[in-house]
Amino acid sequence: LAKTTQPISMDSYEGQEVNITCSHNNIATNDYITWYQQFPSQGPRFIIQGYKTKVTNEVASLFIPADRKSSTLSLPRVSLSDTAVYYCLVGAGLYSSASKIIFGSGTRLSIRP
Amino acid sequence: GAVVSQHPSRVICKSGTSVKIECRSLDFQATTMFWYRQFPKQSLMLMATSNEGSKATYEQGVEKDKFLINHASLTLSTLTVTSAHPEDSSFYICSARGRQGNTDTQYFGPGTRLTVL
Repeated sequence: LAKTTQPISMDSYEGQEVNITCSHNNIATNDYITWYQQFPSQGPRFIIQGYKTKVTNEVASLFIPADRKSSTLSLPRVSLSDTAVYYCLVGAGLYSSASKIIFGSGTRLSIRP
Repeated sequence: GAVVSQHPSRVICKSGTSVKIECRSLDFQATTMFWYRQFPKQSLMLMATSNEGSKATYEQGVEKDKFLINHASLTLSTLTVTSAHPEDSSFYICSARGRQGNTDTQYFGPGTRLTVL
């Protein structure tokens, strides 16, 4: 199981772009990288998933270098409502068996006015 | 995206009673569901992996006789906390594995807040 390392916390301001980097040196060939967002007393919410290069959806972008040993979640123009804990997870590969996903400590993002 | 529900959203019970929490995948079939526990200000801790029609696989340190898991169908898994005690008070979250395109993704339920008095 690939272990992930993220900054414990980050601060930013409304309207800024926020980049959260995750290290996963032991990522396996068939592992995908998935990011989740969690608000207090709620279940994690899926943000984005990728395998390599760049993935973009309506809420975020995910940048993955060629060696796939790290990834960066990019949140454009954050607002106060983006204050949450963000988890980087590795696993659930393509056509994989039911591999389990272990949560790391996550990054507590605080957005200020 | 896929929807996973949990019921109840919160429950308060007396010490020594048993509590059942349901997890349902509403718009997809989930061959595998996962149960997590989360204490305040901490990350999610995986308790067990539940496969439809077979026994659950528990993580080290999780008592299988205390946390009974049943995955009777492709859309329903239940977690029963037996003889609950105050230290079992926590936020319990389930997730279901579903396929989105060519990849598997875990979708999480909203969680159940258990308070044992």
